[in-house]
Amino acid sequence: DAMVIQNPRYQVTQFGKPVTLSCSQTLNHNVMYWYQQKSSQAPKLLFHYYDKDFNNEADTPDNFQSRRPNTSFCFLDIRSPGLGDAAMYLCATSRARIYEQYFGPGTRLTVT
Amino acid sequence: EDQVTQSPEALRLQEGESSSLNCSYTVSGLRGLFWYRQDPGKGPEFLFTLYSAGEEKEKERLKATLTKKESFLHITAPKPEDSATYLCAVQAKGGSEKLVFGKGTKLTVNP
Repeated sequence: DAMVIQNPRYQVTQFGKPVTLSCSQTLNHNVMYWYQQKSSQAPKLLFHYYDKDFNNEADTPDNFQSRRPNTSFCFLDIRSPGLGDAAMYLCATSRARIYEQYFGPGTRLTVT
Repeated sequence: EDQVTQSPEALRLQEGESSSLNCSYTVSGLRGLFWYRQDPGKGPEFLFTLYSAGEEKEKERLKATLTKKESFLHITAPKPEDSATYLCAVQAKGGSEKLVFGKGTKLTVNP
């Protein structure tokens, strides 16, 4: 089955220690998104790639970076995690920006 | 500014007790309205896309409808496995085309 895969499912990092979350897709979709979701809140878009074109949201902190080395993979780098960055990080894909998005299972990040 | 408001925040039903969830929206020009289901600790699962007022989509016990100001997710004879948070999101024409999500309705269906 075509799908969106996120690794790891759970990640524990220390305050200030860089961490990388990964997302891969077998859907061959052009667009890949990263969202942050905190408990009982709506998903918040951090940024997205349309092919190799990177689109950052205006309110995404500089602490968050992303890389998309090829169509299938996308990475979220948090350079210096703070306690407020503890959240579920969701990767999603779509054929194009106007179509529905398909989400991965998420990575739960804990910052100690 | 595009906005989505979902009500109620939480809904508790008995198995077999039909009900509806509401998603009210304001958007400059609607490209699409999306419904997702999210189980605890998991990513949202796509359910439906609605594009224009009067459109309806169905899947098993779920039926989504759309007017110019709101969408309803009707749940007929729910089962305990329908328990989840249901998220509504809108996408406006033009601009960034990003999804604007509501906070969701947490549905609990008791056996």
